Amino acid sequence: AQSVTQLDSQVPVFEEAPVELRCNYSSSVSVYLFWYVQYPNQGLQLLLKYLSGSTLVESINGFEAEFNKSQTSFHLRKPSVHISDTAEYFCAVSLRSSASKIIFGSGTRLSIRP
Amino acid sequence: DGGITQSPKYLFRKEGQNVTLSCEQNLNHDAMYWYRQDPGQGLRLIYYSQIVNDFQKGDIAEGYSVSREKKESFPLTVTSAQKNPTAFYLCASSIPHGGGAGYTFGSGTRLTVV
Repeated sequence: AQSVTQLDSQVPVFEEAPVELRCNYSSSVSVYLFWYVQYPNQGLQLLLKYLSGSTLVESINGFEAEFNKSQTSFHLRKPSVHISDTAEYFCAVSLRSSASKIIFGSGTRLSIRP
Repeated sequence: DGGITQSPKYLFRKEGQNVTLSCEQNLNHDAMYWYRQDPGQGLRLIYYSQIVNDFQKGDIAEGYSVSREKKESFPLTVTSAQKNPTAFYLCASSIPHGGGAGYTFGSGTRLTVV
């Protein structure tokens, strides 16, 4: 069965600093990978996803994630964060073959200090 | 605009009382899901339904019940058998066997036992 590990439960950074949120997955078969963002007291919103093709995927608000098959990782990065990026971020995986349920990681809370 | 509507946003339950959380979608999605979110524990799957009149238990179904009589609606009942129901509840939907399409989430219902 597939699983997702988010290595950091909390990541504090200063505004305009770079950030990396780490995500590792385990699966014996090919997967789809996702990053979701959750702002306080709201539902989850899809930030970006990797389905196939280029291993580097980008979101409209400056985040990017790189699929690394050999390291089974899908880390999320942003070169310069803003106060508005304060949120919880969830990494998720689903199998390509059956493509049924999506499995979510435990989340990383990103807090931005001015 | 298409989306998922969860109501109410806040709900208070007395000990021993059943309560029902509403989830309605107009995305024409066949699959719908209920998750429970507790601080630091990520999302845990309660029930899911891939098609009308059919649903399956997730990882933490005890003390909960659902119905799927219409494609658009997937209400969740928190019964008195659920001993610790205080949590944030999220409903989601997707095309069947969601896979690369990901999930669309509602804005959540926060349930508190008083």
